[in-house]
Amino acid sequence: AQKVTQAQTEISVVEKEDVTLDCVYETRDTTYYLFWYKQPPSGELVFLIRRNSFDEQNEISGRYSWNFQKSTSSFNFTITASQVVDSAVYFCALSEAEYGNKLVFGAGTILRVKS
Amino acid sequence: GAGVSQSPRYKVTKRGQDVALRCDPISGHVSLYWYRQALGQGPEFLTYFNYEAQQDKSGLPNDRFSAERPEGSISTLTIQRTEQRDSAMYRCASSYTGTGVKNEQFFGPGTRLTVL
Repeated sequence: AQKVTQAQTEISVVEKEDVTLDCVYETRDTTYYLFWYKQPPSGELVFLIRRNSFDEQNEISGRYSWNFQKSTSSFNFTITASQVVDSAVYFCALSEAEYGNKLVFGAGTILRVKS
Repeated sequence: GAGVSQSPRYKVTKRGQDVALRCDPISGHVSLYWYRQALGQGPEFLTYFNYEAQQDKSGLPNDRFSAERPEGSISTLTIQRTEQRDSAMYRCASSYTGTGVKNEQFFGPGTRLTVL
């Protein structure tokens, strides 16, 4: 069964600190995709990244980086030198090829960055 | 437009009324998805379409909920005889393909449904 766990309900940091958001997933499929979405206070859901199960390379995009480890079923998200504008709810999600790409979301992590 | 659009953005209705929520996906996107998001939670899958074919409706809560995408573009989610527990944000998303490359889903702004 598909399941995504984001154990951190809420994280507060001070601007310029680095912060890592954890995501652990469960799947029995060998072909699957992992995603991160950002939901700022305005409410929209913004796509950040997609990773497929065959590509364990870490990825960096500006201040954002993602660490995908199949051995621990984790897909963690790090923000370097956080900024107030990073304050949002961050969702990790999983889709399995067998189930036609429907997304299963974690409960989300609220990130508060204080100036 | 460039993104997914949904209408209305807000809908207030009385218990027992029917409502229709509309989604206009990104042009050229094959797949269209409906999710429901309660306050403080992640979105939950309702149903999805590839072109006009409804591929999976396993997430629809009961038979009061239905969806269609007759011409493979715009989709309508209909809730009949609304109940207070139907109050939530209803989100639509589209993706270029259903699986494989370019399967990332882009979400619309959502329709906030309030049932009194």
